[in-house]
Amino acid sequence: EAGVVQSPRYKIIEKKQPVAFWCNPISGHNTLYWYLQNLGQGPELLIRYENEEAVDDSQLPKDRFSAERLKGVDSTLKIQPAELGDSAVYLCASSLAGTGYNEQFFGPGTRLTVL
Amino acid sequence: DAKTTQPNSMESNEEEPVHLPCNHSTISGTDYIHWYRQLPSQGPEYVIHGLTSNVNNRMASLAIAEDRKSSTLILHRATLRDAAVYYCILSGATNKLIFGTGTLLAVQP
Repeated sequence: EAGVVQSPRYKIIEKKQPVAFWCNPISGHNTLYWYLQNLGQGPELLIRYENEEAVDDSQLPKDRFSAERLKGVDSTLKIQPAELGDSAVYLCASSLAGTGYNEQFFGPGTRLTVL
Repeated sequence: DAKTTQPNSMESNEEEPVHLPCNHSTISGTDYIHWYRQLPSQGPEYVIHGLTSNVNNRMASLAIAEDRKSSTLILHRATLRDAAVYYCILSGATNKLIFGTGTLLAVQP
């Protein structure tokens, strides 16, 4: 069974440039999460989708970050414009449902470097 | 959201048991206790979870204190591949995981 797929795995951009990350969750998983992980820290939730609806985006910096999951399957996270402080690993995860006992499956992440 | 407290780092020898502690004194009655681990350059992976009773699976055991204010993840025989950051996390009905900085486990051959 394929796991959570993310692309690209690595991205280097200049500050003020736009960047986009793509995630394909495990088939059948209705819930999709985007996390940000800074070096030496645990992942922090940016946004959670239940199907195509963003049900928790309280931690998403909406001035420069946006996300979409148009058909309730794959998702894209965008940053425009990128800042130096956005350098981090962006993780995508999925689960069967957003309830307290369902395991989240994480992808390998996209490591973003902003120069 | 209830928080957890874990040691920053621990060391173990290969093939010996490892007990990773976690304190969660503000846990609520409906919070699940989750353990995830993150190997270098990988995303976190699920290890085990529980609510009130001790739990066992192929990876580990979870021992939960009777008052639920603490728990211990037990790796029965550590291998070099178990070297990772281990996160103890509480979550409610929304399955929202709030990661701390975890415990960095080093396994010596």
